[in-house]
Amino acid sequence: KNQVEQSPQSLIILEGKNCTLQCNYTVSPFSNLRWYKQDTGRGPVSLTIMTFSENTKSNGRYTATLDADTKQSSLHITASQLSDSASYICVVKKGGSYIPTFGRGTSLIVHP
Amino acid sequence: DGGITQSPKYLFRKEGQNVTLSCEQNLNHDAMYWYRQDPGQGLRLIYYSQIVNDFQKGDIAEGYSVSREKKESFPLTVTSAQKNPTAFYLCASSIKTVYGQGILLNTEAFFGQGTRLTVV
Repeated sequence: KNQVEQSPQSLIILEGKNCTLQCNYTVSPFSNLRWYKQDTGRGPVSLTIMTFSENTKSNGRYTATLDADTKQSSLHITASQLSDSASYICVVKKGGSYIPTFGRGTSLIVHP
Repeated sequence: DGGITQSPKYLFRKEGQNVTLSCEQNLNHDAMYWYRQDPGQGLRLIYYSQIVNDFQKGDIAEGYSVSREKKESFPLTVTSAQKNPTAFYLCASSIKTVYGQGILLNTEAFFGQGTRLTVV
């Protein structure tokens, strides 16, 4: 079982609408959690990082939340744009480990 | 520009051939990684290197080999022993993570643009 589970697997929304992507993890001990955006055929790019003591962090129209007690994170996208169409990957770093654990990603399609 | 460069972008391999994927970075990062990405799956770690002349196997190292002769370069060879090599390959680099005194916990991995390998 993957230690980082993302939902939904895919999502289609209309331009201008908001959406929320979920990430549940069992990685322990927890060090940090990153959200990456990956455009089709390109490498992932970091959107935001959350550490244990942080509950919310924003990056423009992207807002990430973290509940370290329930081991859940969400990525909220407001006023979606066509350029938001991409895969969003949740990545959790285990304390004491060099190597992060990747979720399978949520594929977001924004239609005009 | 500082960054991490993968080449080629597309690569075709015949059955039984070895091929080498290039990864170069000018970010002065100590750590470099190779990942494989298949549709519907998360990135899976093939090999990683924390320092020149040293590298470690990841979760799916069988059929692959790497070298780290220079800090800037971490080429990946897909050998004929890799039975299902068709995939999207991503190289990444980061500041070396140090534990103990002088901990760097939140190091970001910077990714290249990927190489799509297809067996023909």
